[in-house]
Amino acid sequence: KAGVTQTPRYLIKTRGQQVTLSCSPISGHRSVSWYQQTPGQGLQFLFEYFSETQRNKGNFPGRFSGRQFSNSRSEMNVSTLELGDSALYLCASSFGTGGNSPLHFGNGTRLTVT
Amino acid sequence: GESVGLHLPTLSVQEGDNSIINCAYSNSASDYFIWYKQESGKGPQFIIDIRSNMDKRQGQRVTVLLNKTVKHLSLQIAATQPGDSAVYFCALKGTTDSWGKLQFGAGTQVVVTP
Repeated sequence: KAGVTQTPRYLIKTRGQQVTLSCSPISGHRSVSWYQQTPGQGLQFLFEYFSETQRNKGNFPGRFSGRQFSNSRSEMNVSTLELGDSALYLCASSFGTGGNSPLHFGNGTRLTVT
Repeated sequence: GESVGLHLPTLSVQEGDNSIINCAYSNSASDYFIWYKQESGKGPQFIIDIRSNMDKRQGQRVTVLLNKTVKHLSLQIAATQPGDSAVYFCALKGTTDSWGKLQFGAGTQVVVTP
């Protein structure tokens, strides 16, 4: 079974631009979560989508947004990029309901803002 | 506020020895705990999880112990191998949180020496 796929792997953007990251979850998984990983703050939760609805949101400014499509694929968007947005953005998927439903992560998109 | 902490930032282990990675948490209203392994250039990889109604769970070469009284979680790796060198994260889910929202610890770097 294929794992979580994130595209692109690397991105370089300039301050003020916007960026869209894509995530394809494991087949059958309906929950997709996004995390930001930086050396200073570690792994921080951005938001979670389940059946196309945002189920939870972390403490990030409104410049960070996301959506989920009917096939469970998800995108996140960051507008008006700042230098501090440079990070590894990780997508994770799970069944989202029922018993233990561990998150399975992709290898991330490395975003560099210059 | 909520915190999930790790006792040691770096753990050096000799190949063949057992490793113990510790994690303290502060939120007693946590119902699910999980360990991840992250290798360089990759996303976190699921190792093992445990619900709050359990004290111990075993996997292949790994054991997770949960002590809710002192809010402590540990991961034991038996017969540590060079391939176990990575950063290990503990994470927890709050009782009222959805499956996609985890709070991560800072991570412990495990270095396996020959």
